[in-house]
Amino acid sequence: QSALTQPASVSGSPGQSITISCTGTSSDVGSYNLVSWYQQHPGKAPKLMIYEVSKRPSGVSNRFSGSKSGNTASLTISGLQAEDEADYYCCSYAGSVVFGGGTKLTVL
Amino acid sequence: EVQLVESGGGLVQPGGSLRLSCAASGFTFSSYEMNWVRQAPGKGLEWVSYISSSGSTIYYADSVKGRFTISRDNAKNSLYLQMNSLRAEDTAVYYCARDPGFIAFDIWGQGTMVTVSS
Repeated sequence: QSALTQPASVSGSPGQSITISCTGTSSDVGSYNLVSWYQQHPGKAPKLMIYEVSKRPSGVSNRFSGSKSGNTASLTISGLQAEDEADYYCCSYAGSVVFGGGTKLTVL
Repeated sequence: EVQLVESGGGLVQPGGSLRLSCAASGFTFSSYEMNWVRQAPGKGLEWVSYISSSGSTIYYADSVKGRFTISRDNAKNSLYLQMNSLRAEDTAVYYCARDPGFIAFDIWGQGTMVTVSS
């Protein structure tokens, strides 16, 4: 199972919105609404931010939102804050579980 | 407090074995599916293995199939990963992660480092 495709890096200024894409295939992202997103700060364990494409766990800011169109899922962060600077990973069910390669978000 | 704590990592020679443990607390362990996810130094996340709440259903990534064995002891609130025939490419931080049932890893341990080197 190949990894999902994410941009290596994205950046934005405080207060702006950014979107991170996660491209899979009709065998994973395109077939199941089981896409999740994780935030990981350096040296820390990942944190669940979005599950089932667009649902937010309790305690996650509503500045984080998820969506999906066809074989591509997206994570949007609005009102960027310095603390959002981290690595972000998408994940999908694909018969097994597959992660994206990760995207480094830089807040300028 | 809901918590997962991994242990058992360390330095091992290629071809060697290691057993990782994950101790769960603060929730009903026997009600949850569990997974192992690893992260090589400077690299992304890689799913390793899944076990159902009862232990009756198990899956592995192709990269570890035949070498790693996942198991759990619900009476001890513990998850395990037996790793045999270790290779240099197995070097990573290994995390255990709770899954409420929809491929959403909502609780993660702090990770345990496994280094395979001679």
